[in-house]
Amino acid sequence: DVQLVESGGGLVQPGGSLRLSCAASGFTFSNYWMHWVRQAPGKGLVWVAYIKTDGSSSNYADSVKGRFTISRDNAKNTLYLHMNSLRAEDTAVYYCARDGYGHYDYWGQGTLVTVSS
Amino acid sequence: DVVMTQSPLSLPVTLGQPASISCRSSQSLVNSDGDTYLNWFQQRPGQSPRRLIYKVSNRDSGVPDRFSGSGSGTDFTLKISRVETEDVGVYYCMQGTHWPWTFGQGTKVEIK
Repeated sequence: DVQLVESGGGLVQPGGSLRLSCAASGFTFSNYWMHWVRQAPGKGLVWVAYIKTDGSSSNYADSVKGRFTISRDNAKNTLYLHMNSLRAEDTAVYYCARDGYGHYDYWGQGTLVTVSS
Repeated sequence: DVVMTQSPLSLPVTLGQPASISCRSSQSLVNSDGDTYLNWFQQRPGQSPRRLIYKVSNRDSGVPDRFSGSGSGTDFTLKISRVETEDVGVYYCMQGTHWPWTFGQGTKVEIK
């Protein structure tokens, strides 16, 4: 079965950094684009970033461009999101999602990032 | 960015009765490859999103056949033929045709 398991969330002060991980199993990770999508408390879903299969190309939402970096290690079947200069408005549950046929066919359970002093 | 507008935002439904959610996009979602990348997701309370429908009308594996999607261009609909208790949650439409991909605001389905 396809599984995506996020980790690395927690409480961080404004201006701080955090690295999220998403461990993938049950499929050939290197064959799929991968995404991060976030959901602020009580709010809707917002795309954050994607990375292509070999990591050669990525793209970001304007709200995180220059602060967040998406990366992947296909040997470890793991997706990452490096988050710097965190702001209160980055507080959210962060989901990794597989870009399978028709887009976003599988999601992880999410990891909560809270930015607060 | 393409704006996805759902209605209603809240939908109280009687068990066993039908429900319908509308989703409208600010631009046509027909892609250059001829496909229309409009998906529907269900998010039950405390859970992560789950895809129900992809490319307008294709049901994902394991999704009950009481769920159906339809529409074209800019107007799309998710229908639940007979609402069950397990259908309570928030439903989102999402377009994957134009970057950045965008979601609707969500429609909260609850039992009357």
